[in-house]
Amino acid sequence: DAMVIQNPRYQVTQFGKPVTLSCSQTLNHNVMYWYQQKSSQAPKLLFHYYDKDFNNEADTPDNFQSRRPNTSFCFLDIRSPGLGDAAMYLCATSRDRTGTNSPLHFGNGTRLTVT
Amino acid sequence: AQSVTQLGSHVSVSEGALVLLRCNYSSSVPPYLFWYVQYPNQGLQLLLKYTTGATLVKGINGFEAEFKKSETSFHLTKPSAHMSDAAEYFCAVTGGGADGLTFGKGTHLIIQP
Repeated sequence: DAMVIQNPRYQVTQFGKPVTLSCSQTLNHNVMYWYQQKSSQAPKLLFHYYDKDFNNEADTPDNFQSRRPNTSFCFLDIRSPGLGDAAMYLCATSRDRTGTNSPLHFGNGTRLTVT
Repeated sequence: AQSVTQLGSHVSVSEGALVLLRCNYSSSVPPYLFWYVQYPNQGLQLLLKYTTGATLVKGINGFEAEFKKSETSFHLTKPSAHMSDAAEYFCAVTGGGADGLTFGKGTHLIIQP
C-alpha cells in the first residue's frame, strides 16, 4: 500500500545531542510537511517542501532544519534538542498544496524524548 | 489568516448515542475544511473534507459534517457512537495558497459503555 512511513517510532536523545528523524513516502506527492505535536495540543506546522522549494514557518526555531534529497524522503534535523522539544513529530504529504484542497496523508509519527 | 475553534476539549457520550463535535472557523477567504481523527500514538487520518458544492459531507466510519457559512461552523456528527470511535478529533481549515492547514486544539471523544 502507498503510504507515509516514519522512522523510528520512538526516539530518545540527550539534551543538546543532534538528532535526525526520517520520513519516506510512496505516494509520489509533491509536498512534504513536518508538524510538531505536543501533548494534548494541535499539530503545529514547522515547515514544508513543495518539490525542492523549502518553506519555513515564521515561528519555527532555527534549531530545526530539514532536508529533502529526493521526492521520496524528507528529514527533520534538530541541532541541539532541548527539553521543550520533546513531542510527537508528524510527517505528512499532499499531492499539491493544501490550498488546492489536496488532503494531507500522515505518517504514524515519531515520539521524541529528550533526557 | 485562518483559525479554528473546537468547543470542548473532551466530549463523553454513551455507546449508541449521537456524537456531536463542534468546530467554528475564521477565514478571510472561502475555506476548505477538514476533520481528522487521531488514535493513540498514531498519525492523523482524514475523516472528511469540504471544498465546494454540497454542504453536507459524508466521511468514513459513518461520520458526516455540515458546512454552514452563516454560522462559520463545520460540526462533526455521527448518529450512533461505537466504542471504536474513542479518539482525538481535529478540525482544520485552509484558505488557499501555500499556508498549509491550521488545526484546532482537538476534542477527545470518550465513549461510555
